[in-house]
Amino acid sequence: ETGVTQSPTHLIKTRGQQVTLRCSSQSGHNTVSWYQQALGQGPQFIFQYYREEENGRGNFPPRFSGLQFPNYSSELNVNALELDDSALYLCASRLGGGWYGYTFGSGTRLTVV
Amino acid sequence: KNEVEQSPQNLTAQEGEFITINCSYSVGISALHWLQQHPGGGIVSLFMLSSGKKKHGRLIATINIQEKHSSLHITASHPRDSAVYICAVLGMRYGGSQGNLIFGKGTKLSVKP
Repeated sequence: ETGVTQSPTHLIKTRGQQVTLRCSSQSGHNTVSWYQQALGQGPQFIFQYYREEENGRGNFPPRFSGLQFPNYSSELNVNALELDDSALYLCASRLGGGWYGYTFGSGTRLTVV
Repeated sequence: KNEVEQSPQNLTAQEGEFITINCSYSVGISALHWLQQHPGGGIVSLFMLSSGKKKHGRLIATINIQEKHSSLHITASHPRDSAVYICAVLGMRYGGSQGNLIFGKGTKLSVKP
């Protein structure tokens, strides 16, 4: 097992820019979820992909979008960055279709200035 | 009101003390995770449980489905246990927003030597 790998670990962007965050799922996991964690808060669900299709979305605007690739790696894209987008972005993967636990990545710390 | 509530928010203990962190939830769940998050962000899954009790080393997790309550206990606490402990529930319905984790805000534990 290689676990979940996220890149980059830290990123600084300017308001209005666009950013892409990447996640490599744990081997064999076909479901990936993305979460935003503001400082001092619990993570908030952004969206989930299962076998390359989005099958769940939290209360985030359309400028938050994603992709899952055939190898089940994933991207989170955020357009028109706002200062409030500064947060830790977490990716978690699991084997969908059953009752299986999540494996988490270490996160990407995004700072928007 | 949040769907997942944790208490206390902050906890300071002396090394060796027995610690209890509580989690109450208001939605139907298929499973509950206890997670540990160290400074820097990475999350480690400590337990996933849907009934009864699990033990791993000095950590014990219990859940009462009828009462919608779970507890995480740490016996003989140690300064290296200092971290944020997060309760997260997996909704009943697979897929869609309820197929994903709903997080509590976390309990910040500090164990003094």
